[in-house]
Parts: sequence; structure tokens; C-alpha cells
Amino acid sequence: GAVVSQHPSWVICKSGTSVKIECRSLDFQATTMFWYRQFPKQSLMLMATSNEGSKATYEQGVEKDKFLINHASLTLSTLTVTSAHPEDSSFYICSAEREGGIYGYTFGSGTRLTVV
Amino acid sequence: AQKVTQAQTEISVVEKEDVTLDCVYETRDTTYYLFWYKQPPSGELVFLIRRNSFDEQNEISGRYSWNFQKSTSSFNFTITASQVVDSAVYFCALRRSNYKLTFGKGTLLTVNP
Repeated sequence: GAVVSQHPSWVICKSGTSVKIECRSLDFQATTMFWYRQFPKQSLMLMATSNEGSKATYEQGVEKDKFLINHASLTLSTLTVTSAHPEDSSFYICSAEREGGIYGYTFGSGTRLTVV
Repeated sequence: AQKVTQAQTEISVVEKEDVTLDCVYETRDTTYYLFWYKQPPSGELVFLIRRNSFDEQNEISGRYSWNFQKSTSSFNFTITASQVVDSAVYFCALRRSNYKLTFGKGTLLTVNP
């Protein structure tokens, strides 16, 4: 149980275009999902917290207008990288929690974004 | 402040050696949760263990064991008789009171045959 599906697993896009990444909880309802960014050989940095039915809360330094997050249902959160540039190339990973995370967090398999 | 320190950036061992990955944390919360995750080259994060602040019992799961010591704010992870498949980046993480996870910088473990 507690499976989180993330798509696509990798994407290459042209500079200036937008890319949408989906994160779905398959067998549980996730009122809260988290989006992380990971640069090569670095740790996971929390970008934003996605709450179903309300606006996402962003960590300091994360551009809200560039990284649009929508959590329209209890099983789906999306991250849209708008007007992508090469510096946005990174590994993006989502996670969902149940019961406030005390039972753990389930992570998606990640999306490797390359902007050319 | 919430902080997780994994002082070992990289560790290299030979197969069948035991290896311990260190994790030291800082928190002002009286109730908190600690986690270890494994990230193989494919990138996905694999959950290994969760420990709450009220449970200081050490845990063993097969070749894996964890030593939680509140007195030293440490939550160390030992792999016994390491195998090549154990090669990965290992992250220690602390759940904050606002449900967010703070990750350490990770330790890259390489197990050589």
C-alpha cells in the first residue's frame, strides 16, 4: 500500500516552454503533498507544500510564478515549471503523507527535467 | 532550528564489511520523528525506517540496524555484511512539527566487490 505515482519520469523540453509533472497517490488520499528539487549529488530541498483545495505554500526563495502547484483532488497534485530555462534542469520529486507523516512519507519515483 | 547532519559525505567499503552511517539532529520539538531513506542510482527514495522520539529501542531488520540515542541526538544506521546492492545514497531526515521533512545532505555508500 501507500504508492505514489509520478509522471513523467523524465522530460526534455526547449527553453521557454512549460512542463507539467503529475503526482498521484494511488491507494490513499493525500491531503498534503510535498514537492522537492534535487540537484546532482545534493540533498532534497523542499520547494513547496501542496494542500488539497487551497493554495500551495512555498519555501523561501522559490518563485511561485515559475513553479505552479495545483492540488485539485485528494489524489493528485501537479507541478508546472513555466517558461523553463536551463537552470531549471533538475530532479523533481514529490511525496505524500498520511496521518501527518507519522507513518512515513511515500515518495514518487521522481522526474528528471532537462531544459535545452 | 531544525537540522540534520550527516558528516560522512562518502564511504567506500569492501563487500561483507560492516558500515555505520552517522546522523545527528537538532530540534526544539519534544515530539519528533526520524527517518532513513535509501536513494539508489535510479533516483527513487526507498523508506527504511521511522522512529519517534519516545521510542529509544534499537531496531534490527535483517542486515540493517539502527541506534537511536536521544542523549546525543543521534540516529545511526549500521549495515552488517554489506553487499554491492547496498550501494546508494542514504538520507537521514527529521519530521518537523509542521509535517515537513528536513533532510541531511546524504551519505554516498559504495560497496565494492
